[in-house]
Amino acid sequence: AQSVTQLDSHVSVSEGTPVLLRCNYSSSYSPSLFWYVQHPNKGLQLLLKYTSAATLVKGINGFEAEFKKSETSFHLTKPSAHMSDAAEYFCVVSDIIGNDMRFGAGTRLTVKP
Amino acid sequence: GAVVSQHPSWVICKSGTSVKIECRSLDFQATTMFWYRQFPKQSLMLMATSNEGSKATYEQGVEKDKFLINHASLTLSTLTVTSAHPEDSSFYICSADRTGTETQYFGPGTRLLVL
Repeated sequence: AQSVTQLDSHVSVSEGTPVLLRCNYSSSYSPSLFWYVQHPNKGLQLLLKYTSAATLVKGINGFEAEFKKSETSFHLTKPSAHMSDAAEYFCVVSDIIGNDMRFGAGTRLTVKP
Repeated sequence: GAVVSQHPSWVICKSGTSVKIECRSLDFQATTMFWYRQFPKQSLMLMATSNEGSKATYEQGVEKDKFLINHASLTLSTLTVTSAHPEDSSFYICSADRTGTETQYFGPGTRLLVL
């Protein structure tokens, strides 16, 4: 069994300041981990994924995440928030071939001007 | 690349009618597709896994006779909500597993409103 916990349901930052969205996972085997972003009334867009290669993963739009096995974490970061980053973010865990995906509850990111 | 489409994007229907939602992978083949349901301000819930040429695998608590899934080709899966009721109103999202990438690519979603 596997699951993810997104530690914050809502994060609010000012434009130009760093973003940190926290995610902890639980998995009985080597997982694949993903971050997806969902803008209002839209589908999900893949930001980045970790699949047992480099532990620091760079994604689109300046986002990156670091896989820390000792902490079972996969936090999403961005050095400088932009207004267009305001959205819902989902941390997702799956098995190594991308099946059995389990979604976190989501973190709503608000960016203040 | 890796574009997934859904049709229709939104649908309003009367209670008791059936609604079919299509999910297509436009530029790749997908042996496996997935159907999710998302309630307002909540995360996605996996409903079923659809494999081309075989029966879908449903998650616990999902009625297979209520939500009929057909995966007739490597680029198309359909979800039919039979005898829809207001409680079936939701946002339905499909995803397609792009072979060799271990990544699911998501469609834009279909918003269903049952009156």
